[in-house]
Parts: sequence; C-alpha cells; structure tokens
Amino acid sequence: EVQLVESGGGLVQPGGSLRLSCAASGFSFSMYWMHWVRQVPGKGLVWVAHINHYGSTTTYADSVKGRFTIARDNAKNTLYLQMSSLRAEDTAVYYCVREWYTFDYWGQGTLVTVSS
Amino acid sequence: DIVMTQSPDSLAVSLGERATINCKSSQSVLSSSNNKNYLAWYQQRPGQPPELLIYWASTRESGVPDRFGGSGSGTDFSLTISSLQAEDVAVYYCQQYHTSPYTFGQGTKLEIK
Repeated sequence: EVQLVESGGGLVQPGGSLRLSCAASGFSFSMYWMHWVRQVPGKGLVWVAHINHYGSTTTYADSVKGRFTIARDNAKNTLYLQMSSLRAEDTAVYYCVREWYTFDYWGQGTLVTVSS
Repeated sequence: DIVMTQSPDSLAVSLGERATINCKSSQSVLSSSNNKNYLAWYQQRPGQPPELLIYWASTRESGVPDRFGGSGSGTDFSLTISSLQAEDVAVYYCQQYHTSPYTFGQGTKLEIK
C-alpha cells in the first residue's frame, strides 16, 4: 500500500524556518517525481515545488522561489521541504504528492502556521 | 501559467440526480504527440486530502465508481456524476498537467439539495 506521511509542521514566527518531511512507503520511491502542494484551510490547491527522480531537477512556484528548497533522500525514501523567511501567507496545509503523469497519491498533510 | 476556471463555484443536487462540473483551461492541454488531454479531476471530502478520480480527461482511477465520468478535449472539460450519492459531497478540482506549473481550478463545492 502506498503511504505518504508528512511531518514537521507547526507554529513558527514570521521570518522563521521550518523543515517538512514526507516518509514514503509501499512503492519504489526513487522512480517517481515528487511534489509539494499547499492549501490554505477552506481555500484551493496550490502547487509549491517539484523534484525529479534523482533530485537533480527542481522547480518552484514564484511565490516561494528563493525561500523554499525541495530535496529528497532516496536511500531513506524521504522527501523534504526546507522553508525559510516564512510569511503569514505561507500558512497552509502542506501535502506531499507522488506524480505518475498526474498526482496519483497524496499524504494527509501537515499544517504550517506562520504567526507571531 | 495555464489558468483553470471551473463553473459553477458551488452546486446543490438531489440524491440520485446528475451533477455536472465544468472546467476551462486558458490554453489547450491536448498533446499533439500522443493525442491525450493532460487533465485530471480530484475529489476532496471534508477534512481529507484530495483523491484522484479521473486522468487523461476521461480515464477513471482504479476503484472510482463508474457513476463518475470525465469528458472534453482541448480547453473545455466536464466531470459528471450520473446519480449523486451522499458520499459524493465534496469539493472537486480540475488540474492540468500539460505544462509546469501544474495548475488547479478554484474548486466546485458539491452539496445535497
């Protein structure tokens, strides 16, 4: 069974940093591109970042470029999102998502709240 | 970026009746190389993550009931639920995966009338 389990969310002050993790199991993690998608509670879905199989190619939404870094450790079957210079507008549930042409498996999400 | 626009924003349908949600992309998501529409539909029930329902505009994901159907090509697409069940109450999103960034529609909230 495919499982994606996010962790690392919480309350952080504006300007602070946080690292999200996503533990993958039930599939060959190194074969798939992976993404982070976020959702402000009660609002829509917004793609944040993606990384290719090997970690050699990454892309970011303009809203997070230069502040967020996506990475992966295929030996540990884990996806990461390092977030820095956090702003109130980064408050959202962050989902780890597997791509097989489209987004076929989603984690349960982890809530990040940026507030003083 | 490709803009995805869904209509309506919300919809109330009686149990057993048909529900139709529309999605329009600002550019074609039809690939000339394989003649496939890079369009997916997701269902998000309250308090849950999104789940993939339909991909390639009309292919149901494994385990999705056959009352869910997708249609359309190019820039205009539809998701139809042929006979609404109580468990179909959710927000539905379309998404294009033709061009990065893979953008979503704003969502359509489906309720029981």
